[in-house]
Amino acid sequence: QKEVEQNSGPLSVPEGAIASLNCTYSDRVSQSFFWYRQYSGKSPELIMSIYSNGDKEDGRFTAQLNKASQYVSLLIRDSQPSDSATYLCAVERSGYSTLTFGKGTMLLVSP
Amino acid sequence: DADVTQTPRNRITKTGKRIMLECSQTKGHDRMYWYRQDPGLGLRLIYYSFDVKDINKGEISDGYSVSRQAQAKFSLSLESAIPNQTALYFCATSDWDQRVGFFGPGTRLTVL
Repeated sequence: QKEVEQNSGPLSVPEGAIASLNCTYSDRVSQSFFWYRQYSGKSPELIMSIYSNGDKEDGRFTAQLNKASQYVSLLIRDSQPSDSATYLCAVERSGYSTLTFGKGTMLLVSP
Repeated sequence: DADVTQTPRNRITKTGKRIMLECSQTKGHDRMYWYRQDPGLGLRLIYYSFDVKDINKGEISDGYSVSRQAQAKFSLSLESAIPNQTALYFCATSDWDQRVGFFGPGTRLTVL
């Protein structure tokens, strides 16, 4: 069974801090990794994708990938209350072109 | 107008009833997906379709069927609904290189 593991949280950080969200996966041959943000009662929204080892930055968001450790993370700098949401890690299921999602980590940013 | 629409947005039905959830998209994407989301279980793939003639089972297809009527339309049916199919259902689309790019607003289904 290919799995994607995330800490369910909630992860609580103060406004302005760096929030670090982590994800591990079991399928060693996966090549594509994604982070989605889901506000309560809303649909998931793709915010980052990463395919190569290392860091990928987009505004306040940085995705980090380490394939050897089967680990992907999302850093949110200067966290804002509007970042409070559930963050879903998704890993491409090798050979199927579909995604396996983690259960998500709830992030709470306090003013 | 929304890129991915789902109807109905909310539905309450009884055990044993047949129900259809519909999804339409204006993105022009070939790939469409149906997911369900349950508290504590995350998003799970029910069925997916890479074009009109291609239908594939996902992780949890038992008790569900689908129809791809056109590139833009993908319907999910519950032939005989049961209470553990109570969940939030999402339709999603993607271009060939985006895996899953866009989710619809969701349908909240309650089976009594």
